[in-house]
Amino acid sequence: GQQLNQSPQSMFIQEGEDVSMNCTSSSIFNTWLWYKQDPGEGPVLLIALYKAGELTSNGRLTAQFGITRKDSFLNISASIPSDVGIYFCAGAYYGQNFVFGPGTRLSVLP
Amino acid sequence: NAGVTQTPKFQVLKTGQSMTLQCAQDMNHEYMSWYRQDPGMGLRLIHYSVGAGITDQGEVPNGYNVSRSTTEDFPLRLLSAAPSQTSVYFCASSPTGGTSAGYTFGSGTRLTVV
Repeated sequence: GQQLNQSPQSMFIQEGEDVSMNCTSSSIFNTWLWYKQDPGEGPVLLIALYKAGELTSNGRLTAQFGITRKDSFLNISASIPSDVGIYFCAGAYYGQNFVFGPGTRLSVLP
Repeated sequence: NAGVTQTPKFQVLKTGQSMTLQCAQDMNHEYMSWYRQDPGMGLRLIHYSVGAGITDQGEVPNGYNVSRSTTEDFPLRLLSAAPSQTSVYFCASSPTGGTSAGYTFGSGTRLTVV
């Protein structure tokens, strides 16, 4: 089936630093989603993107729908300890189920 | 609002046993689905339903059954548990099966098969 690649797999950053991660697909999508998962919990939707080139923010988080429709990017500015978790991207084409990436594990050092 | 509720939160089974993972949502969502989460593999779709009485297979359906008799409930049945089914299982729902809205996830069931 379809697979998404997420980069990096994991990252350790200092509190206050900015974070960038991305997600790529071999197929085009018309919707990209970004989720965050805290330990022991289910994923929670952060940002949804519906148009190529779209840039959407949610507080300190900003995500972009790639122009090629095969990638998406998530940036976190001025990281804080509660940003720790696993970040998943998910993509779907019209009428299809969402496909999820393997996740980027973020650790924030005080 | 309860959202998506999964029970139990933890379960240990012996190989060959059967059990049902429960999932209920109170948002009147038409679309419901089951995923399993394994280290390094993200979330993989097991089964999904676009409405009461309608179910379909996802990416990894073998060894699992589902039914959707009501809009609210979407139980997942393990017919004869195997160690390969050790995983964390998530139920998710969405207003429709289209891509116009993201999924709301439950908090998961951690299953260990020994």
